[in-house]
Amino acid sequence: GQNIDQPTEMTATEGAIVQINCTYQTSGFNGLFWYQQHAGEAPTFLSYNVLDGLEEKGRFSSFLSRSKGYSYLLLKELQMKDSASYLCAVRDRDSSYKLIFGSGTRLLVRP
Amino acid sequence: DTAVSQTPKYLVTQMGNDKSIKCEQNLGHDTMYWYKQDSKKFLKIMFSYNNKELIINETVPNRFSPKSPDKAHLNLHINSLELGDSAVYFCASSKGTATSGNTIYFGEGSWLTVV
Repeated sequence: GQNIDQPTEMTATEGAIVQINCTYQTSGFNGLFWYQQHAGEAPTFLSYNVLDGLEEKGRFSSFLSRSKGYSYLLLKELQMKDSASYLCAVRDRDSSYKLIFGSGTRLLVRP
Repeated sequence: DTAVSQTPKYLVTQMGNDKSIKCEQNLGHDTMYWYKQDSKKFLKIMFSYNNKELIINETVPNRFSPKSPDKAHLNLHINSLELGDSAVYFCASSKGTATSGNTIYFGEGSWLTVV
């Protein structure tokens, strides 16, 4: 089966750095995605990792270790608008390549 | 220019009614999806179509029936609505299914409330 775990909530201060962790178990790993979802809005794509290592995109970076079944999303220079839910999702080739989402981490950025 | 658009955005209806949610994408993608997000914020896939063919059909009640008239459209029809069907339904699309890096783009969601 598949299982994705991420913390339910995190709080950080404007201007700081925050790391959101995600661990997963899946039989046919075929890539890991991070999405951002503001309250009442659609999820929007942030990053994609399929090989081990760090992918950097502006203030956001995502890391993957396939052997550990582990990823993190790193947000630098936090802004108030970064307050949102961050969803970790894994694509599973043994399940018709469907994207399986974690429950999301709600991040609150305080002044 | 909305890439994935779905209507209606809000829908309040009584138990037992039949309702449809429509979805269209103008990205030229081959694959479309319906996801359900419940009150606990879990996003769960319901259906996926690739070039109008059903490729993923999760364990959902057969009251839910998707229809894809062409690869740019995927509608969701729900019969005999129940209270537990209240959720946000997201339509989404991607260029393909198995190719690495195929990002899924979501519509803005349809908030369904069954009373």
